Amino acid sequence: GQQLNQSPQSMFIQEGEDVSMNCTSSSIFNTWLWYKQDPGEGPVLLIALYKAGELTSNGRLTAQFGITRKDSFLNISASIPSDVGIYFCAGHRGGKLIFGQGTELSVKP
Amino acid sequence: GAVVSQHPSWVICKSGTSVKIECRSLDFQATTMFWYRQFPKQSLMLMATSNEGSKATYEQGVEKDKFLINHASLTLSTLTVTSAHPEDSSFYICSALGLDYNEQFFGPGTRLTVL
Repeated sequence: GQQLNQSPQSMFIQEGEDVSMNCTSSSIFNTWLWYKQDPGEGPVLLIALYKAGELTSNGRLTAQFGITRKDSFLNISASIPSDVGIYFCAGHRGGKLIFGQGTELSVKP
Repeated sequence: GAVVSQHPSWVICKSGTSVKIECRSLDFQATTMFWYRQFPKQSLMLMATSNEGSKATYEQGVEKDKFLINHASLTLSTLTVTSAHPEDSSFYICSALGLDYNEQFFGPGTRLTVL
């Protein structure tokens, strides 16, 4: 099935550093969402973006809906150990969610 | 609010047996529920969409006779993996879309291991 292109696949950073990850698609999406998944758990919604160009923050997280509606990025500022996990972007179209491949984040204390 | 549960959280079964996984919306009514499959280190892949009281819609490549979905009420959907084989071992996650919400809420997942 169709997937979004998410990068990077993995990141190893030091506590306190900022992180950036992004998703691109060849198709337009009406909504972009960012999720975090901890091992053995379901994904949890972090940020939802509904309008092209929209920039939304949730604490240390900031995400933007690309102006072309084909891309989105997520930034995490001042990372902490509990930020460890897999981050997924997802595009919403036709009542369905299409997920990116995920970015696995490791934070070294 | 908006809690989704799954039962069981993990199951181990022998090859050839059938396994039923339940997905419940605990504090809201879910008009639509979705079933995803996730292999290790991979993304979530949508298997099927189920609407209460009607037949599920399966994604391309998903065998409807192998993965039976029943959405009998506004708070419960079940996925039955029939005649399970080792290649069906995976993490199965459901999500629910409620009348008053515009987002899917995900369950905690069910780890299926077929020996």
